[in-house]
Amino acid sequence: NAGVTQTPKFRILKIGQSMTLQCAQDMNHNYMYWYRQDPGMGLKLIYYSVGAGITDKGEVPNGYNVSRSTTEDFPLRLELAAPSQTSVYFCASGSGQEDTGELFFGEGSRLTVL
Amino acid sequence: QKEVEQNSGPLSVPEGAIASLNCTYSDRGSQSFFWYRQYSGKSPELIMSIYSNGDKEDGRFTAQLNKASQYVSLLIRDSQPSDSATYLCAVLPWGNDMRFGAGTRLTVKP
Repeated sequence: NAGVTQTPKFRILKIGQSMTLQCAQDMNHNYMYWYRQDPGMGLKLIYYSVGAGITDKGEVPNGYNVSRSTTEDFPLRLELAAPSQTSVYFCASGSGQEDTGELFFGEGSRLTVL
Repeated sequence: QKEVEQNSGPLSVPEGAIASLNCTYSDRGSQSFFWYRQYSGKSPELIMSIYSNGDKEDGRFTAQLNKASQYVSLLIRDSQPSDSATYLCAVLPWGNDMRFGAGTRLTVKP
C-alpha cells in the first residue's frame, strides 16, 4: 500500500552542494508533479510530467532539473543549492483523466540549505 | 499567468458553525477543481472535487462552482475542532499543470 514514496524525508545541504530528491509511485499513474511549499504558503509547481520521457516546467523551475525515464520514478535534481531553496518538497501523482484528477501526495522532503 | 487566489485567513469559527472558504481562478479554460486539506506538517489530502457548475455535497462538505464567475467555494457544516487545518484550492487547466492557491487556515474553536 505504498502510493507515492519520497526520499529522503529530511536533508541539510551546504550552499553550492547538489542532491537528488527521489520520488516513486506504484499506482501506474502517467502524471507526476514536484511542488515546493514555503512556510505558511501554498504549493508552487516546479516541474511536471505527463508520461515517461516527457517533462515540462511549472511556475518555479529555476535551479532544478527532472527526468522521467520510467512511469514509476520522477527524481528532482537540485544543482548548486541556495538558501532560497530551503523548503518542503512534495511529489505527487495522478491519473490525469478529466473526471478523476485527484493527486496523491508523498509525505514530503524537508530541505534546509545553510 | 494561471492564478489561483484564496483568502489566507486565518478564519476562525465556533464549533458547530458553518465555515465558508472561497477561491477564484484566472484561467477560463480550467476544467477540474479540487479542495485539499492539509494538517500542519502533513501532506495535502483530497476532500472534494467538482467538475461542473453547481453544488456537490459529500457529508458535511459542499463544493460550489461557478465557471462564469471563475469562483469555487467550500462550505463545511457543523464544523468540528478536527476540521482545523489549511484548505488548499487547486485548479486543473488544459495542459495538466495543477495549480494551487496559497491556502486558507481554518481554526474551529470548541
